[in-house]
This record gives sequence, C-alpha cells and structure tokens, in this order.
Amino acid sequence: GQQVMQIPQYQHVQEGEDFTTYCNSSTTLSNIQWYKQRPGGHPVFLIQLVKSGEVKKQKRLTFQFGEAKKNSSLHITATQTTDVGTYFCAGPLAPGTASKLTFGTGTRLQVTL
Amino acid sequence: DTGVSQNPRHKITKRGQNVTFRCDPISEHNRLYWYRQTLGQGPEFLTYFQNEAQLEKSRLLSDRFSAERPKGSFSTLEIQRTEQGDSAMYLCASSSALTARPYEQYFGPGTRLTVT
Repeated sequence: GQQVMQIPQYQHVQEGEDFTTYCNSSTTLSNIQWYKQRPGGHPVFLIQLVKSGEVKKQKRLTFQFGEAKKNSSLHITATQTTDVGTYFCAGPLAPGTASKLTFGTGTRLQVTL
Repeated sequence: DTGVSQNPRHKITKRGQNVTFRCDPISEHNRLYWYRQTLGQGPEFLTYFQNEAQLEKSRLLSDRFSAERPKGSFSTLEIQRTEQGDSAMYLCASSSALTARPYEQYFGPGTRLTVT
C-alpha cells in the first residue's frame, strides 16, 4: 500500500480563495515531486524539491519541503478555475531508488465561480 | 517533441485473456516507467527501464505481468490471464538522464483496461 498520505482528500473552494494540500511520508525522502492531474488527464510534473526546508514558487503556487524531509506542502494563492484537478506529491521511499516514485493519495481541488 | 504515446487508449477484455499495451516514449528519453492507476488513487509504480535494462520491478507485480523494452525505445507491457482486479489505467512515463532535469517524468495519456 501507499505510504505517502495527503490531506485533505478533497477541497472545494470559491475562485479567489487560497488552497493548501499537505503531504506526509512514512520515511525520510531524498526529494519530493509534485504533479497535477486534470480530470480525465494524465499527471503533469510541477516541481521537485531536494533540500531540507526548501521553498520554491511558481507564480501563484508555493511549494515547501519540511526540515525533516518527511513532509511537504503546496499552497495556491487566489485559486482560479484552471487550478481544478488532483495534486499528487511523490517521492522515492526506498534508499537508492531515486527513479521508483511512490505517489501520495492525492488532493482533489474543485474551484467554482 | 511529440510527447509520450500509448496504444491502445482503451481495451476491453474478458477474464483470462492476455493483453499487451505499447508505450512510445519521447524520442531519446532513455528512462521509461510503467504505472497503474485506479480511480481515486495515485499512480502506482510497476517497473522502470534505463535503456533496454529493466532496473526496478514492483513486488506488487505478479508473474502474470511482464514488460520489455527490447531496443531501448518503445516498451510493451503484457498481462497474462487477466483478472477483474487488473482493471485500471496503465500509464507510461519517460525521462532523460541527459537533461537538466533528469527526474522530471513525462506521462502518456494511458491505456484504460477493463476486464469483464
């Protein structure tokens, strides 16, 4: 089973509101990646975080990697309807297996006007 | 760059039949991955190739599953004696160890398998 949990499972916001999804791993990660999957689509890579405490921004999206490298978050400021989709974090749980990603359970975001 | 392509996009089969899916990665991507995704879940890693070598295989994979990448380009995933529990979306992804972002995986549209 999956050992990367995300909360919440689902969130419904009105356009303009902020949104945050949290990712927690059962083990320390060498890196964490975030993907977005639109309804009916395939996962699309967003970003990779490597360093403890790292923060990266992409326009309205802010990604953080925890100090212990076991958790991460994605924050979207002023959501838009184009942000609709499921957001997954993913990381290599086993040491030495950088290419074997374990995906989180995902957070489905719904944005309405 | 034409993206990762997968064929067929949909497959309906009867329990017990064998099925084979094909993945064509982005040209010159030397790494190729197979995942399985069921409704409401994240992609689940199945196997990984670097060039033609299969370097990782999930313990979750039974002996009914086999994957090949004979010339280091396209790959096939075969499921023998399909079971209803095999119904899922099978995703292929590729990446290149030679780019500035070797960890970035590009996913294909997937093959949706329904076992009746």
